[in-house]
Order: sequence, then C-alpha cells, then structure tokens
Amino acid sequence: EPEVTQTPSHQVTQMGQEVILRCVPISNHLYFYWYRQILGQKVEFLVSFYNNEISEKSEIFDDQFSVERPDGSNFTLKIRSTKLEDSAMYFCASRPRVGYTFGSGTRLTVV
Amino acid sequence: AQSVTQPDIHITVSEGASLELRCNYSYGATPYLFWYVQSPGQGLQLLLKYFSGDTLVQGIKGFEAEFKRSQSSFNLRKPSVHWSDAAEYFCAVEGQGGSEKLVFGKGTKLTVNP
Repeated sequence: EPEVTQTPSHQVTQMGQEVILRCVPISNHLYFYWYRQILGQKVEFLVSFYNNEISEKSEIFDDQFSVERPDGSNFTLKIRSTKLEDSAMYFCASRPRVGYTFGSGTRLTVV
Repeated sequence: AQSVTQPDIHITVSEGASLELRCNYSYGATPYLFWYVQSPGQGLQLLLKYFSGDTLVQGIKGFEAEFKRSQSSFNLRKPSVHWSDAAEYFCAVEGQGGSEKLVFGKGTKLTVNP
C-alpha cells in the first residue's frame, strides 16, 4: 500500500535555528497537509496545500512557517527561527479527493 | 466550525472485556468521520472511516464504529480487547469538498489490564 514518507524521524535543533521537515506524499494525491501534536495534546492542523499554493492555514502557521513543493514529489515544512514551543511531533498527510494518509511523523525537539 | 468531543480522557478495561469509546461531532452537514490509533511515540494509524452508506463500519484489528446522525455520534467499539490495543485513540471529522482539514478530538487513552 502506498505510504507517506517523512524524514527525519527525529530532529533536535537549537532555539533560533532554521529547520526543514521533509515529506514525500503519495504520488497521485492532490492535497497536502502539515499537522502537529505537542506532547500529550491533540493533533492540530497547520496548513493545507493544493495546486502549488497554500489553500488554508491555521493561526499557528505564522510568518515563521513556510511550505514548499519544490520538485513535484517532496513537500517541506520550514520553520525559520525555532522556539522552544515548536517542540512537537509534526505529521505530513496527503489525500486524493477524500481520505487522508498520514506519515509516521517527525519528532522535533528544540533545545 | 467543526468540532469533535471525546468525553473520556482515559479509560481502563480488562483484557477480554468489551470496549466503547465515545465521539461526538459538530458539523453542519454529514461529515466524513474517522478513528485513528496512536501508540506511544508513533504515528497515526487509520482504524476505520465513514463516508456514506451503511452506518456500521468495520475497521482493522476487530474495531467497528456506528454513525448515528440523530446523536451526532461516531462511537468506536470492540467486543473483546487485547493487551496490544492499549494506545491513544483519536476521533476526527473532515468536512466535505475542497481541501478540508481534519479536526481531531483530544483523544482517549486506553489502558488494558491483564
């Protein structure tokens, strides 16, 4: 069964550093997403991406965040200057018309 | 706006006992409904989903869920719980059309006693 692949599985970064989280969505899917889950809390929507542009973003997704689909296969989330509160599990997801497939997540630890 | 309520934060059952995890949603029309399971430190695994049709849906690992429109509920059930079912369970709702995001409940942590 096709999978959404996320790399790395765990990243540790220093506060203030830039970090890029990478995802390879399922190839024939149309919509791409990033969600995050702070430890012990619920999964929260960050951003959706369709037709090479952001279609919706949450309040969490401020100017420090950006997304890109640089080559038609990868889908990246960049955090420009990480803060301690950015520590979380970040999930990438993709879907065709309906029905999500999630990646296994990247655990980001900001120290 | 869509919302999902999972009233039980933590449930403990004995192995072999039956299980029901509650989920209520708020949405203007009939949404798409999902249950996901997450083991500690792991990703989200889809257990089952409801789009339309038969209101009783079967999923993986022996789970089922019933959509009740009149109660805006989508409760997850399993007749006999196994120790390996210990995990966190999330109910989620997706609106129809466009690039609708998933809205998750806060989750129910399941502990299974031997």
